[in-house]
Amino acid sequence: GAVVSQHPSWVICKSGTSVKIECRSLDFQATTMFWYRQFPKQSLMLMATSNEGSKATYEQGVEKDKFLINHASLTLSTLTVTSAHPEDSSFYICSARDGGEQETQYFGPGTRLLVL
Amino acid sequence: AQTVTQSQPEMSVQEAETVTLSCTYDTSESDYYLFWYKQPPSRQMILVIRQEAYKQQNATENRFSVNFQKAAKSFSLKISDSQLGDAAMYFCAYSGNQFYFGTGTSLTVIP
Repeated sequence: GAVVSQHPSWVICKSGTSVKIECRSLDFQATTMFWYRQFPKQSLMLMATSNEGSKATYEQGVEKDKFLINHASLTLSTLTVTSAHPEDSSFYICSARDGGEQETQYFGPGTRLLVL
Repeated sequence: AQTVTQSQPEMSVQEAETVTLSCTYDTSESDYYLFWYKQPPSRQMILVIRQEAYKQQNATENRFSVNFQKAAKSFSLKISDSQLGDAAMYFCAYSGNQFYFGTGTSLTVIP
């Protein structure tokens, strides 16, 4: 199966700092990547859809200036949480869609963010 | 709007037994895909099985199989010969014009 990596796996930062999370498709090209947020014991909540070479599409209620997404290549998308606050603490998961594999999304291992 | 419903928040199964997880969905689309993902305590989402809506034959992957009833919009997952490593959160997902997850079913495997 396709492999997606995510870095860092966890990060602790002070309130007010910015945090960048990288998502890479290792063995396939992903024209579309997705960013999710997951709260404990809940399902995944889609934050935005990232398309290579174009602006991300954000879900309703997600602040685009707060969560900056860049998808500069077919294998890399980044999520930057700007001026992070404690309420941004969460588990962030990216996924990449391999268009040749029946619309399947493959997921990264996730990033745990704790903002102090 | 498309929705995915998992009506069983928690399920348990004895090791080596069989368990079925339920999933229903609502859609007006004719072309779509359905998936079951597993999320163990590590929180890594793992693809378990997928089904193309245009295929009548139920997908199978080793001990995992689905019962896809398109008219009823039902997509249940059957796990045979349950193993301790099957303990996880299981999410049903729909992919059409957009991608939707169900709320998940937490599966406990009893030794």
